[in-house]
Amino acid sequence: EIVMTQSPSTLFVSPGERATLSCRASQSVSRNLAWYQQKPGQAPKLLIYGASTRATGIPARFSGSGSATEFTLTIGSLQSEDFAVYYCQQYHDWPPYTFGQGTKLEI
Amino acid sequence: QVQLQQWGAGLLKPSETLSLTCAVYGGSFSGYYWSWIRQAPGKGLEWIAEISQSGSTNYNPSLKSRVSLSMDTYKTQFFLNLNSVTAADTAVYFCARGREVATVNGWLDPWGQGTPVTVSS
Repeated sequence: EIVMTQSPSTLFVSPGERATLSCRASQSVSRNLAWYQQKPGQAPKLLIYGASTRATGIPARFSGSGSATEFTLTIGSLQSEDFAVYYCQQYHDWPPYTFGQGTKLEI
Repeated sequence: QVQLQQWGAGLLKPSETLSLTCAVYGGSFSGYYWSWIRQAPGKGLEWIAEISQSGSTNYNPSLKSRVSLSMDTYKTQFFLNLNSVTAADTAVYFCARGREVATVNGWLDPWGQGTPVTVSS
């Protein structure tokens, strides 16, 4: 099973600033990586797939990069609605698909 | 636009069977795998299993012995059964559309609204 590790667990940022979230895989997942945003009481929402392709309707301030074992989600100029928990997920080797433990973005 | 709506019993006793339904509205039902994911209180996401219209299934090895998936193609619904539940199975359960059949594009989108399930005596 591929283990996904996200850092930091909590990231404190101010509106208007840039946030950089990291995700590391225990072995190469090529570019088979997705990012999700989850707000309290809601289902996760797909942001990025293929490591860097934005899902339909996702603003351009969200960008993904990386390959193999190191990935980054960057959120430029944070808006109030961006404060949430973010998860990465590998779909390179399954079952099972595996998720990171999440990074909480706090003001 | 594909939408998923899910429902099922929210309170179970230990040793009972968890049963959930996910209905798919709009889009193609037959061309995809359909997944179940859960999230324990205050915890991260755990993928449970997936099923395709052909009946092909994949399970998380950690839950495989207790999980059963099925579907009703006519109603465009798929189902999760998890038997012999314990308090450790207390979680919000989500359904989601997964990869297209014969691809490896295993991102999950869209998701159902989630069903909270509590296991308590």
